[in-house]
Amino acid sequence: DAGVIQSPRHEVTEMGQEVTLRCKPISGHNSLFWYRQTMMRGLELLIYFNNNVPIDDSGMPEDRFSAKMPNASFSTLKIQPSEPRDSAVYFCASSLRGASRETQYFGPGTRLLVL
Amino acid sequence: SQQGEEDPQALSIQEGENATMNCSYKTSINNLQWYRQNSGRGLVHLILIRSNEREKHSGRLRVTLDTSKKSSSLLITASRAADTASYFCALTGGGNKLTFGTGTQLKVEL
Repeated sequence: DAGVIQSPRHEVTEMGQEVTLRCKPISGHNSLFWYRQTMMRGLELLIYFNNNVPIDDSGMPEDRFSAKMPNASFSTLKIQPSEPRDSAVYFCASSLRGASRETQYFGPGTRLLVL
Repeated sequence: SQQGEEDPQALSIQEGENATMNCSYKTSINNLQWYRQNSGRGLVHLILIRSNEREKHSGRLRVTLDTSKKSSSLLITASRAADTASYFCALTGGGNKLTFGTGTQLKVEL
């Protein structure tokens, strides 16, 4: 299995620009999670989906952040407009319904730098 | 939602020694998991222990859970340089949402 795939791996952009992060979960997994990791705040859950439906978006910091999951094999996290304080590593993770549903499988992350 | 707190924040040991890190939390949990993160990489699941379990083993890893003290420990025996990483506990109170702790940075020196 290819594991969770994220793109791009690195993104450098200027303040005010739109940023789109992409994630392909493990085939067959039906839960998808977006996290943000910074030195100051650690690992924070932003939003998660079950069966492509957003379940909990309470971690989304502001209206500038939005996430979609149009189908079971693809999700995006968009920041518009981006700000320097959005600089972080963004992780996508997926999990499988059933006995193993609590175990999450993480992608390699997207390192975002907003100048 | 609650967050686990790992202790110590950083740990440096010699190869071959055992490493112990702890996680404390405040409310009831369904299960507790430990993850490892190598520098610049994503998190990797290590082990899950349910609230009705007290101890679990996986290779060189041993996890204990004391629900009365609301704490868990991760023991890595016979550590190797490749064990150098950050270790996080993650709590599940319900559903499949995890809350991660602040992490312990382990450095294993040759």
